[in-house]
Amino acid sequence: EAGVVQSPRYKIIEKKQPVAFWCNPISGHNTLYWYRQNLGQGPELLIRYENEEAVDDSQLPKDRFSAERLKGVDSTLKIQPAELGDSAVYLCASSSGGATRFFGPGTRLTVL
Amino acid sequence: EDQVTQSPEALRLQEGESSSLNCSYTVSGLRGLFWYRQDPGKGPEFLFTLYSAGEEKEKERLKATLTKKESFLHITAPKPEDSATYLCAVQGLVTSGSRLTFGEGTQLTVNP
Repeated sequence: EAGVVQSPRYKIIEKKQPVAFWCNPISGHNTLYWYRQNLGQGPELLIRYENEEAVDDSQLPKDRFSAERLKGVDSTLKIQPAELGDSAVYLCASSSGGATRFFGPGTRLTVL
Repeated sequence: EDQVTQSPEALRLQEGESSSLNCSYTVSGLRGLFWYRQDPGKGPEFLFTLYSAGEEKEKERLKATLTKKESFLHITAPKPEDSATYLCAVQGLVTSGSRLTFGEGTQLTVNP
């Protein structure tokens, strides 16, 4: 069974530029999460989807971050414009209920 | 607000030298405590979920235990391939949905 797929794996951009990350969850998993992990820290939840609905986005910086999950499968996380402090690893995860069990490999973002 | 503190930040062991990692937590009613392993450049890999004080779970050389204030991850006769960062997370009864609060992790190095 394929795991959570994320792309790109690495992204380097100039500050103020836009960037987007894509996630394909494990087939059949209706819950999808986006986490941000800063260097040397644990992941922090940005947004959680149940099917197409964002049910927990309280920690998403909505002035510059947006996310969507069309048709309740794939998801895209966007940052516009990016700031230096956005440099981190962005992790996507999915589950079929309960807490987060399956993480993708992450996208490492570097903002110059 | 849920909080998780892991210690030590880093641990270096010789192959075969058993030890324990600590995870102290405060939460408004524990729904679950989770242990993950994270290798460099990869997403966290789920290890265990513990739900109530006194519960124990084992997997190969790893054993997780839980009290009302902390959890321990015991590593018996570790091998170099056990080298990784070990993350602890809690899910509270009060926090939104299935949101996890992570600690900063313990970076374990096992030398041959």
